[in-house]
Amino acid sequence: EAQVTQNPRYLITVTGKKLTVTCSQNMNHEYMSWYRQDPGLGLRQIYYSMNVEVTDKGDVPEGYKVSRKEKRNFPLILESPSPNQTSLYFCASRAPSGRVTDTQYFGPGTRLTVL
Amino acid sequence: QQQVKQSPQSLIVQKGGIPIINCAYENTAFDYFPWYQQFPGKGPALLIAIRPDVSEKKEGRFTISFNKSAKQFSLHIMDSQPGDSATYFCAASGNYGQNFVFGPGTRLSVLP
Repeated sequence: EAQVTQNPRYLITVTGKKLTVTCSQNMNHEYMSWYRQDPGLGLRQIYYSMNVEVTDKGDVPEGYKVSRKEKRNFPLILESPSPNQTSLYFCASRAPSGRVTDTQYFGPGTRLTVL
Repeated sequence: QQQVKQSPQSLIVQKGGIPIINCAYENTAFDYFPWYQQFPGKGPALLIAIRPDVSEKKEGRFTISFNKSAKQFSLHIMDSQPGDSATYFCAASGNYGQNFVFGPGTRLSVLP
């Protein structure tokens, strides 16, 4: 089954404790992206990657890191989480052709709470 | 300006009604305008999308109307059903689809 998976689905942590949210896709997609969803703000793009070893900042990259060492994986790293990073996070991927009109598939989301 | 504005914030219609959700953008470099549907506990899913070379696109009961000069686009849901109750997001992207900007979302409730 073609899908984007994220782990963990739920995470409660404390300020300053480094964490990683994993994202994996089995569709051989070149493009992958991370978003955060907050009430009243919709989805805001954190980072995206057009291919392996190619990453770039989205609209809200502060406090986040990403890496793209393999095509299928795109982990999101919070080196020192803060309460304002409490949010619902989505990973997404898009077809290998790279056309903007190709469907972007979203994972199920990771709900992060930083105390 | 990267912002995409969306209204209304919430919408309640009776079954069979035609809810309309409106979006507006400012960046003329945007070249692709998708709509996403999100059910509670799920990730957004692409519903329908349009490019600015056409003024309307229809897929089943869902229609996008696009006004390039006004920099506005809207989603119409014909013969709405309770199963259409969800949050709808409009979005915009440049031609290469690197950076997507989303509207704040509209929560739609279709009453039986």
